[in-house]
Amino acid sequence: SQTIHQWPATLVQPVGSPLSLECTVEGTSNPNLYWYRQAAGRGLQLLFYSVGIGQISSEVPQNLSASRPQDRQFILSSKKLLLSDSGFYLCAWKQGTGSGSNQPQHFGDGTRLSIL
Amino acid sequence: DQQVKQNSPSLSVQEGRISILNCDYTNSMFDYFLWYKKYPAEGPTFLISISSIKDKNEDGRFTVFLNKSAKHLSLHIVPSQPGDSAVYFCAASEGDSWGKFQFGAGTQVVVTP
Repeated sequence: SQTIHQWPATLVQPVGSPLSLECTVEGTSNPNLYWYRQAAGRGLQLLFYSVGIGQISSEVPQNLSASRPQDRQFILSSKKLLLSDSGFYLCAWKQGTGSGSNQPQHFGDGTRLSIL
Repeated sequence: DQQVKQNSPSLSVQEGRISILNCDYTNSMFDYFLWYKKYPAEGPTFLISISSIKDKNEDGRFTVFLNKSAKHLSLHIVPSQPGDSAVYFCAASEGDSWGKFQFGAGTQVVVTP
């Protein structure tokens, strides 16, 4: 069966420090991968998605970047964190069988990021 | 621009009764809809889905209804149980969008004894 791992679970970082959050998926190949952020009391905002190695699409302008160095690895990064980057970050995967396949996304347990 | 809206931020229901969660959308191109359940400090868990060719889908205690003309969907939970206390998100996608979903802001459900 497929599983998704995200780490760390919680992270406290000072303003201006770099960030690297990692997500890996097991038990599937060529998944679509997604990074979301949930701000306090808000819904899920899609930040990035990837349909293959090295292919990254950004949904909103921001201080963050994403990379997919391997098929089942998705990394969220920042060179200098801002206070507004605080939030709950979620990685998700979906069977990558084409752009139009109706299948749900499956989420990791998230990273709680606090910027001080 | 919020294309998926859950206008009730919270819902309190007695154990054993029906919970009805509502979701409205504005994009008529959405053709696939999901409900997720989320506990604190965990990722959302997929509950149930419906495609636009149907108006109802049932899975155990969970039923999702879709009214395309009203651009409205609802989730019914019958009977409600204490373990159903969580935040519920609805989500929608277009067929040709690489699986990208638009999420509502969520509804906090509290099931009381």
